[in-house]
Amino acid sequence: GAVVSQHPSRVICKSGTSVKIECRSLDFQATTMFWYRQFPKQSLMLMATSNEGSKATYEQGVEKDKFLINHASLTLSTLTVTSAHPEDSSFYICSAPPQLAGGDITDTQYFGPGTRLTVL
Amino acid sequence: SQKIEQNSEALNIQEGKTATLTCNYTNYSPAYLQWYRQDPGRGPVFLLLIRENEKEKRKERLKVTFDTTLKQSLFHITASQPADSATYLCALVPGYSSASKIIFGSGTRLSIRP
Repeated sequence: GAVVSQHPSRVICKSGTSVKIECRSLDFQATTMFWYRQFPKQSLMLMATSNEGSKATYEQGVEKDKFLINHASLTLSTLTVTSAHPEDSSFYICSAPPQLAGGDITDTQYFGPGTRLTVL
Repeated sequence: SQKIEQNSEALNIQEGKTATLTCNYTNYSPAYLQWYRQDPGRGPVFLLLIRENEKEKRKERLKVTFDTTLKQSLFHITASQPADSATYLCALVPGYSSASKIIFGSGTRLSIRP
């Protein structure tokens, strides 16, 4: 079945640095990917829709200059947290729509395993 | 405003009983609704999907109902087991396009005690 991977799985960084998280579709071309953020004991909140070859679409309240998304190829989307601060510490998850992997629209989206970001 | 609410933040029940979780939504007209399981530190795992024109869907010990008039979905786990302990998320898919995003509810932490 279709698989989405994320790298790294965990990252710890100092406040003020930038961190890049990669999301890859391993056996299909994902022209669209979604980025979610999850704080402890809270649900997944959609941050943005990443579109291959065009600008990402950000949800209301998400700073596009803070969370840079680059979908430069058909299998890779990257999320860069710029000038990270402790409040950016969270669990970041990407996903891809099932149709892109040959599935039905009503199938589950394919979720990556998540990246745990800790900003000191 | 648009909302998806799961009525209980946490639910504790005894093994063998039926767990019932509730998901209510407002100002959405979802094409379909999904339920996921999430364990700590992991991404969500898909369980069941129900379309807007379906009333009920079953899979093994799981049952989902969908009432578009009440704007509510119920998720049942029968003969619950301690291994069913996890956070359960309902999610709406507003549209049918390939770029349809998933909107998640707040989740219910289910604990099954032996």
